[in-house]
Amino acid sequence: QQQVKQSPQSLIVQKGGISIINCAYENTAFDYFPWYQQFPGKGPALLIAIRPDVSEKKEGRFTISFNKSAKQFSLHIMDSQPGDSATYFCAAIINTNAGKSTFGDGTTLTVKP
Amino acid sequence: NAGVTQTPKFQVLKTGQSMTLQCAQDMNHEYMSWYRQDPGMGLRLIHYSVGAGITDQGEVPNGYNVSRSTTEDFPLRLLSAAPSQTSVYFCASSVQGYEQYFGPGTRLTVT
Repeated sequence: QQQVKQSPQSLIVQKGGISIINCAYENTAFDYFPWYQQFPGKGPALLIAIRPDVSEKKEGRFTISFNKSAKQFSLHIMDSQPGDSATYFCAAIINTNAGKSTFGDGTTLTVKP
Repeated sequence: NAGVTQTPKFQVLKTGQSMTLQCAQDMNHEYMSWYRQDPGMGLRLIHYSVGAGITDQGEVPNGYNVSRSTTEDFPLRLLSAAPSQTSVYFCASSVQGYEQYFGPGTRLTVT
């Protein structure tokens, strides 16, 4: 049973465009939702995170939108740049078992110049 | 700070061999985890630890052992390697399990 479903699997965006990656979860006990960015040959790096008491969080060009009733959250990358080309993972964590993170399958983003 | 370090970077094993993947962190983090990453399957949790002497199983623990004798180190042992364990392995650490810092990974091939 996959608890976090991520889409799309791959995404191609023109430079300057908006990249949108979506995740849906099933377990309402999840209370922390981070996004990670991974470049080829490197480990994932935390990009931005949100808790369910907030509907939106913005850091620079990166925004998380959170819809608690729909059990969905998404990553928006504004003014996408070729340097943003990477694999993005969403994740979900339950605070009573914070050692256990559940990850989505990842989205490979390609930003064309 | 070196952050999270992993050794070796690459390893080739024959079926049935055993080995230990090393992971160390210098950030005094209590939480440490091991993940494997396979194409199209994201990151799957193997084992994790919430402090020295405390470990628990993740999603895919079979064929792997861990121990945590110090805060800094969290080695992952493959008892008898199988081709299905060919993967990239990542170690991560965090203060309370939320914001994880990942190591550079170990690419393991089992023939």
